[in-house]
Amino acid sequence: DAKTTQPTSMDCAEGRAANLPCNHSTISGNEYVYWYRQIHSQGPQYIIHGLKNNETNEMASLIITEDRKSSTLILPHATLRDTAVYYCIVRATQGGSEKLVFGKGTKLTVNP
Amino acid sequence: GAGVSQSPSNKVTEKGKDVELRCDPISGHTALYWYRQSLGQGLEFLIYFQGNSAPDKSGLPSDRFSAERTGGSVSTLTIQRTQQEDSAVYLCASSLFPLSYEQYFGPGTRLTVT
Repeated sequence: DAKTTQPTSMDCAEGRAANLPCNHSTISGNEYVYWYRQIHSQGPQYIIHGLKNNETNEMASLIITEDRKSSTLILPHATLRDTAVYYCIVRATQGGSEKLVFGKGTKLTVNP
Repeated sequence: GAGVSQSPSNKVTEKGKDVELRCDPISGHTALYWYRQSLGQGLEFLIYFQGNSAPDKSGLPSDRFSAERTGGSVSTLTIQRTQQEDSAVYLCASSLFPLSYEQYFGPGTRLTVT
């Protein structure tokens, strides 16, 4: 699985959009981008994933650049409950290991 | 519906003792994973079960660690002769792989070896 690079920490004001970047310059054609988050003292929670096209669900939006070398997770209206560590993971869908390889992630702090 | 459950939520044991950690995956999920997270560290993969296939044990750190999954459902992670460096939160996840790659995590078991 390709490696990812994320900022160590970010701050965001409550009610504003939180934009979390991720670089994955060595991503392969069959690798998806996944985002999980881990709120303090809880297990990780799936957020969203995508291959090429931008994706949106009830939690967030995922914007993937045309060359697929980077992506941005967008929380449109951050709340205090969104304070967590956010992990960007790339993984193959076939022929690769099914385990998730977590990096250090980005610690997002949403401030009142 | 019910999520992934793990027991116990906390376990304190003395160095050298054996411990068993239990995971109940979401009903119908064929894939089950164990990870661990040491203090201030990221999540580290331990072992993966998929249906009746041989498990992927590539992440187990030593032969003191073993896991089994009975009847394709409940899984037990066993650590023999525990060491202080085994202290961590042990997380279990399940998924509907290959129908879905989303993994659903349990709350974890916090293991402290004294």
